[in-house]
Amino acid sequence: NAGVTQTPKFQVLKTGQSMTLQCAQDMNHEYMSWYRQDPGMGLRLIHYSVGAGITDQGEVPNGYNVSRSTTEDFPLRLLSAAPSQTSVYFCASNDRWWTGELFFGEGSRLTVL
Amino acid sequence: TQLLEQSPQFLSIQEGENLTVYCNSSSVFSSLQWYRQEPGEGPVLLVTVVTGGEVKKLKRLTFQFGDARKDSSLHITAAQPGDTGLYLCAGARPGAGGTSYGKLTFGQGTILTVHP
Repeated sequence: NAGVTQTPKFQVLKTGQSMTLQCAQDMNHEYMSWYRQDPGMGLRLIHYSVGAGITDQGEVPNGYNVSRSTTEDFPLRLLSAAPSQTSVYFCASNDRWWTGELFFGEGSRLTVL
Repeated sequence: TQLLEQSPQFLSIQEGENLTVYCNSSSVFSSLQWYRQEPGEGPVLLVTVVTGGEVKKLKRLTFQFGDARKDSSLHITAAQPGDTGLYLCAGARPGAGGTSYGKLTFGQGTILTVHP
């Protein structure tokens, strides 16, 4: 049972570089989201999608882009990495938006130098 | 300003002790979830409470949703080293309708360490 798969698990970037964090789910969930986790801050919502072709901003969207061309995939793009984006990123999916159980990936640890 | 305030942020106790983690807000939530996260993994749902005053038990864990649906608590009886982890509460607030979607807001988390 794969659930939610995130790649890569670890990445080091230099300031100004761009990259994409991949997220795929095999549970046919309509809803997907990206969170970042920083010490003492809990999880903060970056972007979310309520279905293929539909995305919206969360609490902390600046510096990130998303798209949802298929139900399964929800990549997160960092356009020009900054040290403030050093964090652990989690992708999640659920079948009922904001009330259903969130299924998380294992996380992607990003360091921006 | 954190919408959901968890306390304490850190808890270090001996095996067999009891503990309570609190999750407080000035806002009303439709429901509240508790997650547990281990190092290197994503959070995993423990419970969802939806009714004011609701109490749910999961073995040694007792979850309560406040009558006004603004706060919640997690009580662990006779803690064990296997309970060690980060505990997160998350509150659900509905959107205003139309294209305004509801949001799930997380507290800062409580790091629990249970020593053998």
